[in-house]
Amino acid sequence: DAKTTQPPSMDCAEGRAANLPCNHSTISGNEYVYWYRQIHSQGPQYIIHGLKNNETNEMASLIITEDRKSSTLILPHATLRDTAVYYCIVSPPAIYNQGGKLIFGQGTELSVKP
Amino acid sequence: DGGITQSPKYLFRKEGQNVTLSCEQNLNHDAMYWYRQDPGQGLRLIYYSQIVNDFQKGDIAEGYSVSREKKESFPLTVTSAQKNPTAFYLCASNPRQNYGYTFGSGTRLTVV
Repeated sequence: DAKTTQPPSMDCAEGRAANLPCNHSTISGNEYVYWYRQIHSQGPQYIIHGLKNNETNEMASLIITEDRKSSTLILPHATLRDTAVYYCIVSPPAIYNQGGKLIFGQGTELSVKP
Repeated sequence: DGGITQSPKYLFRKEGQNVTLSCEQNLNHDAMYWYRQDPGQGLRLIYYSQIVNDFQKGDIAEGYSVSREKKESFPLTVTSAQKNPTAFYLCASNPRQNYGYTFGSGTRLTVV
């Protein structure tokens, strides 16, 4: 079973920031938080990951709470092309995770509206 | 550009037939994976391989088989023993470190 809880759906206005929450209260010390998104009928796309510090890349920012029990993915200026299902996944590094498999939950369906 | 290529994009199979889905990567990644996705559902792991000539069953391996004769290739065979094969199949790879996984664009298999 997935170790994360996400809202099933969210709306966001185009040009505004999209803040997607994720709860992972049972996260272990060596587990990272990964975010992926899946646009309809395509393969998932890696967005960002982090351990305990906040992270930022060209796509998004990841804010992890100090107790690491929850995180927020931030898309700073959402566009219509950001409409997708967003998955939050916790997983140890592949070297410690038998096969490095990812356990996907249901994700959050983000709809960016004009 | 490096990436994962899955082919074909759409595949139709008659009941009782075996079919093989192709997955090729030029990322020099050690580990490769096959996932299945049903409508409105998350991904479920079928098989994975961490190194050439070695692979392990995932959570739903029954009715599937794989091979890993080359680092670049990880084909999946859907056998006639798979009772409900109609689904979206995704191949992925990673370099066995804590990096993001790269996914292919998927193969949609329909049994007719």
